[in-house]
Amino acid sequence: GQNIDQPTEMTATEGAIVQINCTYQTSGFNGLFWYQQHAGEAPTFLSYNVLDGLEEKGRFSSFLSRSKGYSYLLLKELQMKDSASYLCAVRDRAGGYQKVTFGTGTKLQVIP
Amino acid sequence: EAQVTQNPRYLITVTGKKLTVTCSQNMNHEYMSWYRQDPGLGLRQIYYSMNVEVTDKGDVPEGYKVSRKEKRNFPLILESPSPNQTSLYFCASWGGLAGTSYEQYFGPGTRLTVT
Repeated sequence: GQNIDQPTEMTATEGAIVQINCTYQTSGFNGLFWYQQHAGEAPTFLSYNVLDGLEEKGRFSSFLSRSKGYSYLLLKELQMKDSASYLCAVRDRAGGYQKVTFGTGTKLQVIP
Repeated sequence: EAQVTQNPRYLITVTGKKLTVTCSQNMNHEYMSWYRQDPGLGLRQIYYSMNVEVTDKGDVPEGYKVSRKEKRNFPLILESPSPNQTSLYFCASWGGLAGTSYEQYFGPGTRLTVT
């Protein structure tokens, strides 16, 4: 099975930088995803890491350390529209099916 | 436009009255999945399908059925809905195992209330 932990809520100021952490335990790690979900809407894909290191995509970056079972999502130059939940999800290849399990999400509030 | 569609978007029903939530994708994706989302519990997988006529249980399959007769469609069936199935449901699809086909595309969601 998998265990994914991320903070429940975070608050940050417009224009600032925020880091959302995710730790996981899995037997057959095969990739980590970050999704953004605005209230009442569908999740949308942000990033994917399968190798250690930092992946940068505009204002968003995602980091992975497989040996530590750790990832973070870094959001720079925060905007009010970044207020949303951020879901960490881990793909596991155990059992032949590449199952993706989602964490419970981190609700980010951006304040002026 | 590449998309996953779900219908209905909102549904209020009574205990025991069979219902079906439809899901369709136009991206020729192999994989499809149903999730339910509840406060504090995150997205939990109900059923998934790896291809036509290939389905399997996720983490919370009790009380649900699915079928995959065509690649594009993956309906979710509640034979006898109960109040504990009140939730927000999402259908998702993605391409397959390798390459850049890992991104899941989600439908807009179906908010179901069972009274």
